[in-house]
Amino acid sequence: NAGVTQTPKFQVLKTGQSMTLQCAQDMNHEYMSWYRQDPGMGLRLIHYSVGAGITDQGEVPNGYNVSRSTTEDFPLRLLSAAPSQTSVYFCASSTRPGGLATNEKLFFGSGTQLSVL
Amino acid sequence: QQQVKQSPQSLIVQKGGISIINCAYENTAFDYFPWYQQFPGKGPALLIAIRPDVSEKKEGRFTISFNKSAKQFSLHIMDSQPGDSATYFCAAKMDSSYKLIFGSGTRLLVRP
Repeated sequence: NAGVTQTPKFQVLKTGQSMTLQCAQDMNHEYMSWYRQDPGMGLRLIHYSVGAGITDQGEVPNGYNVSRSTTEDFPLRLLSAAPSQTSVYFCASSTRPGGLATNEKLFFGSGTQLSVL
Repeated sequence: QQQVKQSPQSLIVQKGGISIINCAYENTAFDYFPWYQQFPGKGPALLIAIRPDVSEKKEGRFTISFNKSAKQFSLHIMDSQPGDSATYFCAAKMDSSYKLIFGSGTRLLVRP
């Protein structure tokens, strides 16, 4: 029971470089999302997807791209890395929304720690 | 604009004591309020959740208290244990929405 798998766990980039953070889930969840976690800022939503081929922006989407070609995978692309993107990135998948009525629950991966120099 | 405000930023409690973390929200359309627990090096995990039509929900040593008129809710950890040392996040959203808005987090340390 893998759940949500993120790779890599650690990454160091130079300013201007691009890279893709990988995320895969094996729970057949329609909803997937990317959050970034910064000290004192909590978890902020970057992008999310409600199904294959459907994506939308969250609170802090600038500098990031996503696509959803399959139910299982939801990669996050940094187009031109900046020091402000130094953060811990979490991918999550979820059952259908509905709060307590649907036992809604976000399942998080273990995170990618990214440093941009 | 921070839609969910959480305090304190950090908290130290002795073993056996009560840990209290507070959150306030602005959007009255929110109707689902979960708490997530995060251990170092791990992703957050759902701990307990409540709807605004209930003033209190208890699961084991964890209790959510909800004050709809004040737009505030809190997590109480009774008989706090060193194993409870973690970061706790409150969150809020509308039932039908996918967008879960998190508070800034509280780092709890329970001393033996």
